[in-house]
Amino acid sequence: EVHLVESGGDLVQPGRSLRLSCTASGFTFSDYAISWFRQAPGKGLEWVGFIRRKAYGATTEYAASVKGRFTISRDDSKTIAYLQTNSLKTEDTAVYYCSRGVRSSGGYYYPDYWGQGTLVTVSS
Amino acid sequence: DIQMTQSPSSLSASVGDRVTITCRASQGISNYLAWFQQKPGKAPKSLIYAASSLQSGVPSKFSGSGSGTDFTLTISSLQPEDFATYYCQQYNTYPLTFGGGTKVEIK
Repeated sequence: EVHLVESGGDLVQPGRSLRLSCTASGFTFSDYAISWFRQAPGKGLEWVGFIRRKAYGATTEYAASVKGRFTISRDDSKTIAYLQTNSLKTEDTAVYYCSRGVRSSGGYYYPDYWGQGTLVTVSS
Repeated sequence: DIQMTQSPSSLSASVGDRVTITCRASQGISNYLAWFQQKPGKAPKSLIYAASSLQSGVPSKFSGSGSGTDFTLTISSLQPEDFATYYCQQYNTYPLTFGGGTKVEIK
């Protein structure tokens, strides 16, 4: 059974950093991309970014709102993906979800399985 | 960025009703569209990809259609467990973008 578990969410002050983890099981982790999404309290879903599998260079894509501040990486040996969040702002407060990314025929990725989410609160 | 517009933003329906939700893209996205269901306090659940293909384990009462800019999600016979918020998402172009959501409530 595919399972994704996020961890690392916390209450942090603006300007600080936090590393979120997405621990996967139940599938061959190295065969898939991993995407990150977030949802601010009472708001809709927002794509944060994703990392391709190593066969596609483990390259990354980011939303403009986080580019330059957030970094996604992966450790296939541990089946964990990371979301390093730096220079956090109050507007980054959200539940962060990771998902398994399936590559479409067009080369873009859609999520199939999701984790339960981890809450990041940015406040002084 | 591609804007995704869902309508209605909310609807009230009864158990057994047929429900249709519409999603419109600001430019053509071929069939690179997914639908998700989210219940309060829970993670999203993937329902449909490629506009009309059901994710594994999703019941056949859910169906999707459309291509280009106009898409629909239909629930053939609404059940109590279907009351939730539904989102569409395009994955034709970065940044990936979502519709604002449609909340399906009990009448």
